[in-house]
Amino acid sequence: GQQLNQSPQSMFIQEGEDVSMNCTSSSIFNTWLWYKQDPGEGPVLLIALYKAGELTSNGRLTAQFGITRKDSFLNISASIPSDVGIYFCAGQEDSNYQLIWGAGTKLIIKP
Amino acid sequence: DSGVTQTPKHLITATGQRVTLRCSPRSGDLSVYWYQQSLDQGLQFLIQYYNGEERAKGNILERFSAQQFPDLHSELNLSSLELGDSALYFCASSVTGGNYEQYFGPGTRLTVT
Repeated sequence: GQQLNQSPQSMFIQEGEDVSMNCTSSSIFNTWLWYKQDPGEGPVLLIALYKAGELTSNGRLTAQFGITRKDSFLNISASIPSDVGIYFCAGQEDSNYQLIWGAGTKLIIKP
Repeated sequence: DSGVTQTPKHLITATGQRVTLRCSPRSGDLSVYWYQQSLDQGLQFLIQYYNGEERAKGNILERFSAQQFPDLHSELNLSSLELGDSALYFCASSVTGGNYEQYFGPGTRLTVT
């Protein structure tokens, strides 16, 4: 079945750094969602995107719906310790209403 | 707080046993989804219900079953449990059956010994 390619798999960052991660698909999507999961907790919806080219912010987080409709990006500016966790992208194809999930990007703060 | 509730929070049981996990969706949401997340793994979609009817099936084992009741709460039944079934089980809900924004509960951690 359709898979989302989410990268990087993990990132070591220093507090204050900007972070960027992305998801790509082989087919066209009409929806992109970004979630964050803290250890042992349920994923929390961060940003939802519904239109190609759309750029949406939520505090220090900014996500974009790629103009090709096959990718999406999430940027975190000036990272802080509470940003650590796993970030998941999820998308929905035009032809299939099922949500497809990326494998996640694990954000780790460098000691 | 997403508004989705799941009980119990933790469950420890032995191999071969059967358990039931419960989920109440957000007020107004008609669709419920069940996911399994093994340690350090991604989210595996199991099954979706919409307004009481099964809508979609993912990688759900035959030993597992689910239902959604008239009051829209849902139960996931896991039987003949194996050690490999130990995982976090999440329920999510959305307004419609067309997915879009799913809101997740806090999860049930199942440990099979």
